[in-house]
Amino acid sequence: AIVLNQSPSSIVASQGEKVTITCRASSSISSNYLHWYQQKPGAFPKLVIYSTSYRASGIPSRFSGSGSGTSYSFTISRVEAEDVATYYCQQGSSNPYTFGAGTKLELK
Amino acid sequence: EIQLQESGPGLVKPSQSLSLTCSVTGYTITSGYDWSWIRKFPGNKMEWMGYISYSGSTNYNPSLKSRISITRDTSKNQFFLQLNSVTTEDTATYYCARALTTVALWGQGVMVTVSS
Repeated sequence: AIVLNQSPSSIVASQGEKVTITCRASSSISSNYLHWYQQKPGAFPKLVIYSTSYRASGIPSRFSGSGSGTSYSFTISRVEAEDVATYYCQQGSSNPYTFGAGTKLELK
Repeated sequence: EIQLQESGPGLVKPSQSLSLTCSVTGYTITSGYDWSWIRKFPGNKMEWMGYISYSGSTNYNPSLKSRISITRDTSKNQFFLQLNSVTTEDTATYYCARALTTVALWGQGVMVTVSS
């Protein structure tokens, strides 16, 4: 199984700050199959970025993604209070599909 | 509007079977997509358990292969998860989802505790 090493495990940021999460895969992944989700407490995960860099429907432009091969990143350009959540990367390139361990974003 | 809703017991005893139902409205499960089960453990780890495709073929996570079965009832537009010989380590929130290598549509999730 492809292991996704996601870092950091937690971030404390101020409103308006830029934050970046990285996701490193144990094997190369097609960029078409690397995705990012946001999960708020008590809610189901929500797709934010699909295929490395495409924003899902209704997702604000402050969210972005990039990467290729084994190294991917997810950025919030200016954190807002509503962005407090846990973020996960996920690969759909190879069965079994796998998730990163999650990054918990909190506000200062 | 397409909706997925999980149902099933919230408490299962160790060594027994866990059975969950996902009821889908607004979309016919034989029309497309992979109908998946994904779980989130306490402490945030997420695991894709497996799926049944729109054609009826199944694909399971090898870590669960001997214990898991995903089936469907097309007349009711439902699909099911059965996980056998559960232990306390199967305590998790279980989500059904509509997927195609990524998940754009999730159920609300059902918390299942394995405890005697």
